[in-house]
Amino acid sequence: GAGVSQSPSNKVTEKGKDVELRCDPISGHTALYWYRQSLGQGLEFLIYFQGNSAPDKSGLPSDRFSAERTGGSVSTLTIQRTQQEDSAVYLCASSEIRGSSTEAFFGQGTRLTVV
Amino acid sequence: GEDVEQSLFLSVREGDSSVINCTYTDSSSTYLYWYKQEPGAGLQLLTYIFSNMDMKQDQRLTVLLNKKDKHLSLRIADTQTGDSAIYFCAETSYMDTGRRALTFGSGTRLQVQP
Repeated sequence: GAGVSQSPSNKVTEKGKDVELRCDPISGHTALYWYRQSLGQGLEFLIYFQGNSAPDKSGLPSDRFSAERTGGSVSTLTIQRTQQEDSAVYLCASSEIRGSSTEAFFGQGTRLTVV
Repeated sequence: GEDVEQSLFLSVREGDSSVINCTYTDSSSTYLYWYKQEPGAGLQLLTYIFSNMDMKQDQRLTVLLNKKDKHLSLRIADTQTGDSAIYFCAETSYMDTGRRALTFGSGTRLQVQP
């Protein structure tokens, strides 16, 4: 596609429910990032996928968070047993690694509200 | 670990120049970036600079890098109301895990007054 696409754009869920957030990266981009942006805050790194390498999950805040990337393309971020503190905008980015450059292109984000 | 810091807020008058500052700690940083986020939108890459450069100019944008002091700045000439947004500084470097970290600052909210 022309850019990084995320769905849904907005999600309201009840506390304790599971949610899945989807990211379609730019075709051909081998690197994919998930970030979380809480209201008025900067970007918090969650997870990074690069090609067929094992993902870097060092930013996931708890074991309720998991992510997978199927076929090196689409990625799904899953939050189990959602809590109110999970409310944030979840941003996905993809990049094509050239040399050391990491020019990342971002999607519009999924605004998650846990009530 | 890497850390990127920015001031939280900047207010300027339309037509003036804006200077947004950023400091970082990782001496192995290779590229440094400025992203713009308008209300309700994702992040848009504005410009980037390789760590062996000290200046890059792109139309109204000028990026200055002081590698010794690990200080990056973004100057916007002739600031317009459409420049009102949050500006994020980011840097990329290799981590011990082999990951190319892309670490962001907390963002500077630029308010342009008519």
